[in-house]
Amino acid sequence: SQTIHQWPATLVQPVGSPLSLECTVEGTSNPNLYWYRQAAGRGLQLLFYSVGIGQISSEVPQNLSASRPQDRQFILSSKKLLLSDSGFYLCANADTAEKLFFGSGTQLSVL
Amino acid sequence: SQQGEEDPQALSIQEGENATMNCSYKTSINNLQWYRQNSGRGLVHLILIRSNEREKHSGRLRVTLDTSKKSSSLLITASRAADTASYFCATGPRRGSNYKLTFGKGTLLTVNP
Repeated sequence: SQTIHQWPATLVQPVGSPLSLECTVEGTSNPNLYWYRQAAGRGLQLLFYSVGIGQISSEVPQNLSASRPQDRQFILSSKKLLLSDSGFYLCANADTAEKLFFGSGTQLSVL
Repeated sequence: SQQGEEDPQALSIQEGENATMNCSYKTSINNLQWYRQNSGRGLVHLILIRSNEREKHSGRLRVTLDTSKKSSSLLITASRAADTASYFCATGPRRGSNYKLTFGKGTLLTVNP
């Protein structure tokens, strides 16, 4: 069975600082990978998805970027965080049956 | 933009009662899925229903889909305190290599013991 690892679980960062969130997948190869953000009490907003190494599609213009340096690694980054970047970030993988498997998430607070 | 919209936003029931949550969507879909999220955790897939299906069961879960009304419902029977969580519907477009789900804002279900 596949497993998605996300870290850290909680992160508090000052405005203007850089960000790097990492997601790795085990138990599958060539996964479609996704970064979602969830604001408090809201649904999930798709930020980025990737169908392969070096292939990134952005869904919304924002202060964030994503990279996929390896088949099972997906990284979410920012050079300078904004207050509005606060939220719960979730990495997910789509399996062949079309459903998503989610990591445990990172709660980011930008102060 | 949000595709699925759940109703109600919050639901509070007693243990043993049934819980019904609804989802409406706007565009044509290939499938509709329901996910559960415990507070501060990732989402867990519950059930998937395809556009050519009308009803599906999984344990205490029953999902219906009405494509003419662009709506779905999730019924949890004989609820338990452990069912307390947020429930999200998500719509899937036509199958493709760039498969993306669009999520609603969720229904917060509280089951009181």
